Amino acid sequence: GAVVSQHPSRVICKSGTSVKIECRSLDFQATTMFWYRQFPKQSLMLMATSNEGSKATYEQGVEKDKFLINHASLTLSTLTVTSAHPEDSSFYICSAIGPGQGNTEAFFGQGTRLTVV
Amino acid sequence: GENVEQHPSTLSVQEGDSAVIKCTYSDSASNYFPWYKQELGKGPQLIIDIRSNVGEKKDQRIAVTLNKTAKHFSLHITETQPEDSAVYFCAASIGTGNQFYFGTGTSLTVIP
Repeated sequence: GAVVSQHPSRVICKSGTSVKIECRSLDFQATTMFWYRQFPKQSLMLMATSNEGSKATYEQGVEKDKFLINHASLTLSTLTVTSAHPEDSSFYICSAIGPGQGNTEAFFGQGTRLTVV
Repeated sequence: GENVEQHPSTLSVQEGDSAVIKCTYSDSASNYFPWYKQELGKGPQLIIDIRSNVGEKKDQRIAVTLNKTAKHFSLHITETQPEDSAVYFCAASIGTGNQFYFGTGTSLTVIP
């Protein structure tokens, strides 16, 4: 299947700093990517939908100024957590709509474990 | 919007037995139903999916069934093995680049 690469897999940062997470579709072009946040033993919570060349669509309750999303190309979307605080510590996962039948299949990155100290 | 419910939240089976996980959805417009397996500390991995024009799909030990009328779909794993232990998520989508709505997950433990 299609491959989505997410980097870094783990990051530790100090409170007040910003962290950038990259999501790349390695062997296909993805016009749409999604960013999720996952708390321990819980399901994936959609944060925003990222569309190449346009502004991201954020879910209700997600601060767009805190979680900056840039979908600069058909193979790369980035999530920047600005002025991170300990409560932002979580597992962040991206997914990209793959080239499957009807452009419906989603493939996930490996996830990024963010710890803010 | 779409609401996906998943049961059970935890499931333990003996190695070699079958495991069944069930999901229901609310939006009749949903037409794509994937299942994901997530191992600890990793992203979800697509294991099987089914579209609304099909009632059943099988891939080796894994099968998925869909009942559009009742709006529910199920994952069936036969001859379970310890490496099947993971968290499984169902999802629903209306397709064509739209977002996925996930179930709450099922933690499956296969006891050797």
